Amino acid sequence: SQQGEEDPQALSIQEGENATMNCSYKTSINNLQWYRQNSGRGLVHLILIRSNEREKHSGRLRVTLDTSKKSSSLLITASRAADTASYFCATVQETSGSRLTFGEGTQLTVNP
Amino acid sequence: GAVVSQHPSRVICKSGTSVKIECRSLDFQATTMFWYRQFPKKSLMLMATSNEGSKATYEQGVEKDKFLINHASLTLSTLTVTSAHPEDSSFYICSARNPGLAGGKPSTDTQYFGPGTRLTVL
Repeated sequence: SQQGEEDPQALSIQEGENATMNCSYKTSINNLQWYRQNSGRGLVHLILIRSNEREKHSGRLRVTLDTSKKSSSLLITASRAADTASYFCATVQETSGSRLTFGEGTQLTVNP
Repeated sequence: GAVVSQHPSRVICKSGTSVKIECRSLDFQATTMFWYRQFPKKSLMLMATSNEGSKATYEQGVEKDKFLINHASLTLSTLTVTSAHPEDSSFYICSARNPGLAGGKPSTDTQYFGPGTRLTVL
């Protein structure tokens, strides 16, 4: 079953603006991952943050994790039209081995 | 590195026929492969976990006789949709995992996803 909830469900911004997407989950996790999916394509792994980490950066991406609130956020800075895609968070729960549980996703549209 | 392919990328079939989808890890050995299903504008739903050389583990509500999974080698898993019906039309995505690529520790595990297969059953 899906345990992740993401908000907003859809986000439309202008190029150059920052985009923030949030993800909440319900159970204890080993790690949380963010993926990107272009329409009709497979998933591209963006970043993984472990349960003992609070913040991680990768290029224009910044991910935070608050295990007390069971939530994570993905920030994309200086967005580009090419960032238009669906973004999913996925958790690896402590009791699920390597199984990923995906959130519902945020559809990001970056207007040129 | 860590490339996963799927074949075919798109398939259209008649109701009642069976369709086989292949998932291959091209440059690493995948001890575990996962099969997901995704409906339009929806999230990915895990269907089953496939370990090389053993029977697949299916998620609750997924019919194992309907969705046959075979993981005969460390680089290939197949999903066969038997007696397909229009409601089986969906986007099917596989992923592959090898703990050796991530230091063998679950806390740093990463799955590598295939590009997906679009199945349309008429």
